[in-house]
Amino acid sequence: KNQVEQSPQSLIILEGKNCTLQCNYTVSPFSNLRWYKQDTGRGPVSLTIMTFSENTKSNGRYTATLDADTKQSSLHITASQLSDSASYICVVSASGGSYIPTFGRGTSLIVHP
Amino acid sequence: DAGVIQSPRHEVTEMGQEVTLRCKPISGHDYLFWYRQTMMRGLELLIYFNNNVPIDDSGMPEDRFSAKMPNASFSTLKIQPSEPRDSAVYFCASSPGQKNTGELFFGEGSRLTVL
Repeated sequence: KNQVEQSPQSLIILEGKNCTLQCNYTVSPFSNLRWYKQDTGRGPVSLTIMTFSENTKSNGRYTATLDADTKQSSLHITASQLSDSASYICVVSASGGSYIPTFGRGTSLIVHP
Repeated sequence: DAGVIQSPRHEVTEMGQEVTLRCKPISGHDYLFWYRQTMMRGLELLIYFNNNVPIDDSGMPEDRFSAKMPNASFSTLKIQPSEPRDSAVYFCASSPGQKNTGELFFGEGSRLTVL
């Protein structure tokens, strides 16, 4: 069964600090992995996509990594800002057949001033 | 494009009443999804359509839930009769499919409270 596990479930950090969110998956055969950001009261929005051949990808202060061998991904946030407070959801898609993605439960990040 | 549009944004109703949630997907997207989000279970896929045809409704919790997509620009999710445990945020999302590596574009959600 395809599964996506995220850790930690929640995280509180001070503004300006860095943090790393983790995602482990068992989706097979792997197609791509996305990180979504969901602000309170809004729908999720894609931050970045990782395909099999990519190890690292940056989007501003967000850097995603992918290790396809260990089936792990991380999202690193540098110099956090108050606006980074949100839920971050890891979503993995399989190739072939149904491409319907598998969602993780998300990590709730709170950035305090 | 205006993005995925959902209505209503908030709905408060009493147990036993019928609830209808509406969604207008992004023009040109072939896939439409209905998700339910709760604190306990996160985002759960209820049903999805491809070219207006329901493909997988195995996530629909019970017969009280039904969804339709009469045309490419409109879908509804109906709950009849509603129960307090149906209280959640319901998201509609659309996607152009594999050709865009499967990115889902979500609406702002409909927050349902059943008293």
